[in-house]
Amino acid sequence: EVQLVESGGGLVKPGGSLRLSCAASGFTFSSYSMNWVRQAPGKGLEWVSSISSSSSYIYYADSVKGRFTISRDNAKNSLYLQMNSLRAEDTAVYYCARVRAFDIWGQGTMVTVSS
Amino acid sequence: QPVLTQPPSSSASPGESARLTCTLPSDINVGSYNIYWYQQKPGSPPRYLLYYYSDSDKGQGSGVPSRFSGSKDASANTGILLISGLQSEDEADYYCMIWPSNASGVFGGGTKLTVL
Repeated sequence: EVQLVESGGGLVKPGGSLRLSCAASGFTFSSYSMNWVRQAPGKGLEWVSSISSSSSYIYYADSVKGRFTISRDNAKNSLYLQMNSLRAEDTAVYYCARVRAFDIWGQGTMVTVSS
Repeated sequence: QPVLTQPPSSSASPGESARLTCTLPSDINVGSYNIYWYQQKPGSPPRYLLYYYSDSDKGQGSGVPSRFSGSKDASANTGILLISGLQSEDEADYYCMIWPSNASGVFGGGTKLTVL
């Protein structure tokens, strides 16, 4: 079964850091680009970041550029999102999603930034 | 960053068709982009439905019924998701998305579909 499972969310104070992980299974992870998408409580979807299959191409939304870093470890079938200098407006459910079509989604992990 | 405009809400009765729209800004030609559509039910992650570029270039998500289909209205610069034979289980939020460049993806604000 093709599956993505996120982890690493939690409560963090403004200015703090958090690292999210996304474990992939059921497909050849190293062949696919991957993405992070977030959804603030009661709000719509927002694309956050993308990484190509070999990590050659990396892109960020303006809202997170300079604060977030996407990475992957193809040997571990894992995708990561290092989030620094967190703000209240970063509070959201963070999903990992496969390829530019976002054809497979994880269940999401909640990140709450609050003092 | 371009903004994709979706009506906040729409409604239709079971068995009818629902036509959900996604309007691109005037400086972006809908004919040049794949339009992706997603369905999200409360408490669940989004589900990929389909993409539409043209009648000869389109794709359905795995397990997505054929009563979900995409199209474009070039005169309105709009992508369209058509759901025929509406069922109660189709009640959900629907989002469109495009990649206006390789470097960024953009979602519409979403439409809440109510099946009366």
